[in-house]
Amino acid sequence: QVQLVQSGAEVKNPGASVKVSCKTSGYNFRSYGISWVRQAPGQGLEWLGWLNTYNGNPNYAQKFQGRVTMITDTSTGTAFMELRSLTSDDTAVYYCARGTCFGGNCYFVYDYWGQGTQVTVSS
Amino acid sequence: DIQMTQSPSSLSASVGDRVTINCRASQGIRSYLAWYQQKPGKAPELLVYAASTLHSGVPSRFSGSGSGTNFTLAVSSLQPEDVATYYCQSYDGAPPTFGRGTKVEIK
Repeated sequence: QVQLVQSGAEVKNPGASVKVSCKTSGYNFRSYGISWVRQAPGQGLEWLGWLNTYNGNPNYAQKFQGRVTMITDTSTGTAFMELRSLTSDDTAVYYCARGTCFGGNCYFVYDYWGQGTQVTVSS
Repeated sequence: DIQMTQSPSSLSASVGDRVTINCRASQGIRSYLAWYQQKPGKAPELLVYAASTLHSGVPSRFSGSGSGTNFTLAVSSLQPEDVATYYCQSYDGAPPTFGRGTKVEIK
């Protein structure tokens, strides 16, 4: 069965960086893109960007350009998201999610999600 | 970026009631609209995509409708396990954007 398993909770100081992993299984990793979505406490969902797992090309939300990096390790089917220069506003649960494909095309529609990684930024 | 506006922000209904949640896009998004259900402490789960296509395994009491700028998620007969927050999402290009959510409770 399809699974996305994320790394554990992180506590970081302001100004630090965090790197979250998302290990996939149960499907062909290179056939479906991976997006990263975050949710601040009590808030809605915010898209950080998307990674083409076939060629490794990313598409970052403008808000996070220059501060986020998304990469893959195709040998293990794992996606990584690094966010730098953290502030308290980055405190959130970070999710990886698989983009689904239908009608011969793939979309930013997410049929499988990781369990979420709590990132807390605090001094 | 496309702004998604959901209404109401919360609702309370009785078991067996029909419930509807509305979502309006700031510009036309054709039928590129998905709905998700999120229960406390859990990741969102896909309910509907392409505005009206039910995702595999989703109970038939859920349905989606609309196109262009106005969309609706309906639950024909609310069940206790439907207590959750529901989000609409536009995926007509990047970035995909989400509504602020509608919290559904049992009266």
